[in-house]
Amino acid sequence: DVKVTQSSRYLVKRTGEKVFLECVQDMDHENMFWYRQDPGLGLRLIYFSYDVKMKEKGDIPEGYSVSREKKERFSLILESASTNQTSMYLCASSLPPPAANTGELFFGEGSRLTVL
Amino acid sequence: GQQVMQIPQYQHVQEGEDFTTYCNSSTTLSNIQWYKQRPGGHPVFLIQLVKSGEVKKQKRLTFQFGEAKKNSSLHITATQTTDVGTYFCAGPHFGNEKLTFGTGTRLTIIP
Repeated sequence: DVKVTQSSRYLVKRTGEKVFLECVQDMDHENMFWYRQDPGLGLRLIYFSYDVKMKEKGDIPEGYSVSREKKERFSLILESASTNQTSMYLCASSLPPPAANTGELFFGEGSRLTVL
Repeated sequence: GQQVMQIPQYQHVQEGEDFTTYCNSSTTLSNIQWYKQRPGGHPVFLIQLVKSGEVKKQKRLTFQFGEAKKNSSLHITATQTTDVGTYFCAGPHFGNEKLTFGTGTRLTIIP
């Protein structure tokens, strides 16, 4: 079974702190994603990566950056945490799909971040 | 920008009643996926539809993809307590492999 592991289930940080959220997948997936989930807004894509050292902005990249130095690991970085970044963060991975399809996403358990 | 809306946002049903959630995209989708998220859990893939007008069934769940590939629905027959959770649709847009998720429908079951 595919396993996507997020390093922290719960974090509490202070405004202005630098925050690292780590995600590791064990199925050699090329694609990795970071989403945030907020009530009433669904899942919104922050950043994604199709290959090592490759990254592309999603729909809400402001205030975030990412790092993908190894294929299995995709990190989300909040350079200076703010209260509006309090949220559930979900990491996902997928294989490149055949034409007309989109790869099924495998999600981690999520990291609930509270910024005070 | 790309928008994928779902209705209703919440649905409370008596156990044994049917349930339907609807998904509408502002643009044409090359395919659509459905996910289920149990309370306290993470989204889990249910199914993908690719063809215009496609209908797929998984036991009590029936998934449809609209003829214009801009809408989809999930229908659950005779709900059970195990159906509790939030159901999300998600779709890429032509030329774009990023998945845009719908806002989700939270289903609660009254025993």
